[in-house]
Amino acid sequence: ETGVTQTPRHLVMGMTNKKSLKCEQHLGHNAMYWYKQSAKKPLELMFVYNFKEQTENNSVPSRFSPECPNSSHLFLHLHTLQPEDSALYLCASSQAGGTMTGELFFGEGSRLTVL
Amino acid sequence: GQQVMQIPQYQHVQEGEDFTTYCNSSTTLSNIQWYKQRPGGHPVFLIQLVKSGEVKKQKRLTFQFGEAKKNSSLHITATQTTDVGTYFCAAYSGGGADGLTFGKGTHLIIQP
Repeated sequence: ETGVTQTPRHLVMGMTNKKSLKCEQHLGHNAMYWYKQSAKKPLELMFVYNFKEQTENNSVPSRFSPECPNSSHLFLHLHTLQPEDSALYLCASSQAGGTMTGELFFGEGSRLTVL
Repeated sequence: GQQVMQIPQYQHVQEGEDFTTYCNSSTTLSNIQWYKQRPGGHPVFLIQLVKSGEVKKQKRLTFQFGEAKKNSSLHITATQTTDVGTYFCAAYSGGGADGLTFGKGTHLIIQP
């Protein structure tokens, strides 16, 4: 139990489907992140939210849409995905402040398969 | 963003042998973190190094941060089967809550 919960753990979707990944952190952190981990490109940073404001977007295609309604919840909305988007999507949180980011606490990930 | 190069990509060792993974950056790092990911699991934080030349130990694991704060290493003494997994370094060089950039990781495979 890491204090960061992701649902669903596994998701299979067609290219025309719309689905969402959910992340919830119970650690009182003020920063949340989405990372993508695939077999060919490990741990790519996708989005960063600090105090609910998006502070970083690493050129992620618009078919991925993040949402952070409060500092404890983070969503990744998925639509018209491609098979190459199949990967493990990891949510993480940290206590950010000053000039450093604290350690990241990762959820167990959502394994996404796009058919 | 910050780029960190990590080598080797794979390391096969016999149980009981030592293991080292290296992380290098072309720019000075504010700090460096190390994570371990077991097969089928998620990355778990091991340690953070902040000071130039810093050395920290956790049982059989020794972490070093270079004097110029551009490189780091993780050394495991007398590996055990529980050490199997992928070890990542992660660098953060800016201010605010930018995300950490991870190295590609070193996959440690241990043969009993």
